[in-house]
Amino acid sequence: AQSVTQPDIHITVSEGASLELRCNYSYGATPYLFWYVQSPGQGLQLLLKYFSGDTLVQGIKGFEAEFKRSQSSFNLRKPSVHWSDAAEYFCAVGADSSYKLIFGSGTRLLVRP
Amino acid sequence: EPEVTQTPSHQVTQMGQEVILRCVPISNHLYFYWYRQILGQKVEFLVSFYNNEISEKSEIFDDQFSVERPDGSNFTLKIRSTKLEDSAMYFCASTFPGLQETQYFGPGTRLLVL
Repeated sequence: AQSVTQPDIHITVSEGASLELRCNYSYGATPYLFWYVQSPGQGLQLLLKYFSGDTLVQGIKGFEAEFKRSQSSFNLRKPSVHWSDAAEYFCAVGADSSYKLIFGSGTRLLVRP
Repeated sequence: EPEVTQTPSHQVTQMGQEVILRCVPISNHLYFYWYRQILGQKVEFLVSFYNNEISEKSEIFDDQFSVERPDGSNFTLKIRSTKLEDSAMYFCASTFPGLQETQYFGPGTRLLVL
């Protein structure tokens, strides 16, 4: 069965520092991978997605993610974090059946001034 | 940019009462979903709806739940007799068919069952 693991529940970084959020997936075939962000009281906004091709994908707000098949990972990165990036970040894999998304448990990002 | 809308944003109800959560998906999308997020937990798939019928449902989606697209624009989730454990944020999403398509999420309805 498909599953997604985000091992870090909370991460705190200083503003201007780099960021990496970890995501590991379990999926039998070629995965379709997504990162969503949820600001407090808001819905889920898509940051980026990977389907095939270049394993480094660029998203909105300066985020990027790298697909590594050998490690079953799809880690999210940003070179310089802004205070407005404080939010909860969810990694998800798209499932064949009905194209539903299977989410990880999320990582809450706190940004120190 | 088109967006998914949901009403109400918050709902408080008594245990055993029926609630209907409403969603207006993006107009030319064909797949519709409900997900829920219990406070502090992950977002969980409840049900998908395509071509006027349920295409898949999770084990959470028992007989107390139903979905409907009554008028070609709204997409509703009904909980027949709410339980305390139904308290959660409920998200509606819509997309074109295809794994490569983006699912667009609404802002959610926070349901509190007392």
